[in-house]
Amino acid sequence: AQSVTQLGSHVSVSEGALVLLRCNYSSSVPPYLFWYVQYPNQGLQLLLKYTSAATLVKGINGFEAEFKKSETSFHLTKPSAHMSDAAEYFCAYGNQFYFGTGTSLTVIP
Amino acid sequence: GAVVSQHPSWVICKSGTSVKIECRSLDFQATTMFWYRQFPKQSLMLMATSNEGSKATYEQGVEKDKFLINHASLTLSTLTVTSAHPEDSSFYICSAATGVETQYFGPGTRLLVL
Repeated sequence: AQSVTQLGSHVSVSEGALVLLRCNYSSSVPPYLFWYVQYPNQGLQLLLKYTSAATLVKGINGFEAEFKKSETSFHLTKPSAHMSDAAEYFCAYGNQFYFGTGTSLTVIP
Repeated sequence: GAVVSQHPSWVICKSGTSVKIECRSLDFQATTMFWYRQFPKQSLMLMATSNEGSKATYEQGVEKDKFLINHASLTLSTLTVTSAHPEDSSFYICSAATGVETQYFGPGTRLLVL
């Protein structure tokens, strides 16, 4: 079955440090891949999506992700964390959006 | 653009009653709408997919008689939780799709069944 795996349910970084949230997918074909952010008691907001047009995808709020077929990965990064980045992040797969288990990002002042 | 609303945002009901949640695409027509359920500190689980004018397709393990989905128009889908019980308490999120690549998510509805 198609799926995504998010490594690390909780990630803590200092303000200004690099953010790296990991996502691996399982599939033999290039998929649609997405990263979403969810703030407490809110719906999901799309950060970025991969649809095979380019392997490095830039999203909103300074986030970007690189699709690496050889590693079946689609990790999310941001060069410098901001306090407002603290939220839950979900990697999603496919056109019906099967979601990973999520990674809670904490930003330490 | 591409705003999806849900109503209500919060609902508390007694066990045994039914609750209807509305999902509307405000500024676009959605060919497909999806319903998700999210337990605290967990991921979203797809419950069902609905296309306007046809029966919803439910994911395995989701009771179609308990979670009634109606997709009456290209801008409105409703989820009715029938005979709700405390274990149905959850965060329900809908999304509306304009194609295979993009879904727009509603803000969610928190249901608490007493």
